[in-house]
Amino acid sequence: DTEVTQTPKHLVMGMTNKKSLKCEQHMGHRAMYWYKQKAKKPPELMFVYSYEKLSINESVPSRFSPECPNSSLLNLHLHALQPEDSALYLCASSQDPSVAGGLGYNEQFFGPGTRLTVL
Amino acid sequence: ELKVEQNPLFLSMQEGKNYTIYCNYSTTSDRLYWYRQDPGKSLESLFVLLSNGAVKQEGRLMASLDTKARLSTLHITAAVHDLSATYFCAVDKTRRDDKIIFGKGTRLHILP
Repeated sequence: DTEVTQTPKHLVMGMTNKKSLKCEQHMGHRAMYWYKQKAKKPPELMFVYSYEKLSINESVPSRFSPECPNSSLLNLHLHALQPEDSALYLCASSQDPSVAGGLGYNEQFFGPGTRLTVL
Repeated sequence: ELKVEQNPLFLSMQEGKNYTIYCNYSTTSDRLYWYRQDPGKSLESLFVLLSNGAVKQEGRLMASLDTKARLSTLHITAAVHDLSATYFCAVDKTRRDDKIIFGKGTRLHILP
């Protein structure tokens, strides 16, 4: 399996709702990422998990809560979002650089994304 | 702080023409990535460039890396409409973490 999957594809939620985004990869990758992308902008990094531990939090508001239940799964829990949080949410994964022939590179493979609309 | 600049940010060109997208970055790095994004879709990895002088080619696209100039180029040969997309370059910030820094992207529109 050489892909990253994300569910749902589309999500519409009110500002008082609680919802979750899910991401899965079966490539044996050890790092998983959440990005937020607004229209005509590059992806903005939100969180990084490395070996199932949160390694980077880019000062993301607490209404976004990541979770990594195991090495293949990554969730993003959403609560009390604002309309400006509407965006495409992308999950990505990358393999352990030490496995890649010692080349130490970080090619990230992206899922199809979840289009989130907050009303 | 690592900064990545792409130019042009928007390019409209005729089919059959050649053109180059430039990606400059501000601090030393020898790992650079090119991604393609179609409208409303996710990012697709195109090229991984890992050393000075690296050159990779896939179809009508060729990417190169000059680490001394801190410059990568993505060259399009005899453009076809199917290549219309947004192209992002991204640079590894450091070997100590997993962050890559994206350029703003180049929106490429190829006119039939």
